[in-house]
Amino acid sequence: GDSVTQMEGPVTLSEEAFLTINCTYTATGYPSLFWYVQYPGEGLQLLLKATKADDKGSNKGFEATYRKETTSFHLEKGSVQVSDSAVYFCALTPSNDYKLSFGAGTTVTVRA
Amino acid sequence: DGGITQSPKYLFRKEGQNVTLSCEQNLNHDAMYWYRQDPGQGLRLIYYSQIVNDFQKGDIAEGYSVSREKKESFPLTVTSAQKNPTAFYLCASNRGGTEETQYFGPGTRLLVL
Repeated sequence: GDSVTQMEGPVTLSEEAFLTINCTYTATGYPSLFWYVQYPGEGLQLLLKATKADDKGSNKGFEATYRKETTSFHLEKGSVQVSDSAVYFCALTPSNDYKLSFGAGTTVTVRA
Repeated sequence: DGGITQSPKYLFRKEGQNVTLSCEQNLNHDAMYWYRQDPGQGLRLIYYSQIVNDFQKGDIAEGYSVSREKKESFPLTVTSAQKNPTAFYLCASNRGGTEETQYFGPGTRLLVL
């Protein structure tokens, strides 16, 4: 079945450091790919998405590119802030379906 | 403001008790979803509904029940048959059909006394 594997955490960084969270997927066809963020004690918020190969999603300084050849959707940010401390989830929706499959989540802590 | 509300924020359940978690949306979305989140794990789908008066089991439906009598509301009941109910429960919605993005509520944390 469809699945998402993302980098295990926790990840601890200093402010202004570069962040990468790896995400790979297994799916038939052309799924849509998402990154959601969860701040402490809150629900999930959509961070960015990409719906076809080579699309780049971007938001709040975060970027991820849909790579069909490597079945990956890695999240990157060039300079993190303390306010980026959160849990990040990679997820996919299969083509012609509406169910979201989530990775296990990666906890990111940014220190001042 | 449009959005999804969940109540209560914290809920305590006694042994053998059924409890109901509320989820309301004013986004005019057709589809609604319930997920369970456990520490160190991703979200797992409990139930979903694509239209009023219709719903389907997700991956971990045992011990849970839902209803969808109104478009705006999708309550989840955690029954006494659910032996390990302690978790964070998240409700989501979207227009359904070909819209992929789901929008989430703030969650309810259920604890067993």
